[in-house]
Amino acid sequence: NAGVTQTPKFQVLKTGQSMTLQCAQDMNHNSMYWYRQDPGMGLRLIYYSASEGTTDKGEVPNGYNVSRLNKREFSLRLESAAPSQTSVYFCASRKTLSTDTQYFGPGTRLTVL
Amino acid sequence: GENVEQHPSTLSVQEGDSAVIKCTYSDSASNYFPWYKQELGKGPQLIIDIRSNVGEKKDQRIAVTLNKTAKHFSLHITETQPEDSAVYFCAASQGTGNQFYFGTGTSLTVIP
Repeated sequence: NAGVTQTPKFQVLKTGQSMTLQCAQDMNHNSMYWYRQDPGMGLRLIYYSASEGTTDKGEVPNGYNVSRLNKREFSLRLESAAPSQTSVYFCASRKTLSTDTQYFGPGTRLTVL
Repeated sequence: GENVEQHPSTLSVQEGDSAVIKCTYSDSASNYFPWYKQELGKGPQLIIDIRSNVGEKKDQRIAVTLNKTAKHFSLHITETQPEDSAVYFCAASQGTGNQFYFGTGTSLTVIP
């Protein structure tokens, strides 16, 4: 039982490049989340998926797209990376909307030059 | 939306002493308050949580208190150990809602 896994762990992009961050969970959770973590700003929600087939915007969705590929996988795409997207990205999951505990992945450290 | 403030941003204590981290929130509808511990290079991990119908919750050396009237909640760690050194985040949500609002984190250092 690996919990929440994320790939890659590190990535360096040039401005304008695109990439997809991958997230998978093996806990049979319904809800999945993408956060970004910046120094002094805590964790901010980018997008979430309440269940397979649905996605919704969070607090800071601009510049990102997501895909809930199946119940296990939730990907985050940067179509045209900008230096302001340099951050650490965390994926999280929880069983249902009414269940409170979120489980986080180990994070992806992204640098955009 | 909700605004969560967390203090202090850094905290150093001697091993064996207690550590207290405080958070305030703005939305009176928030009713679930988790605390997360984040070690270097890892994702946040839930260490304790409290719901609005409870004033205090304890788990071994860790306790959380909630004052709904004043809209603040606190994390208390007693008998601190070097392995308690990490960044701690508080958060607030409306339980069944989707958004968790996080504080900006407290970097705790326990000096042996």
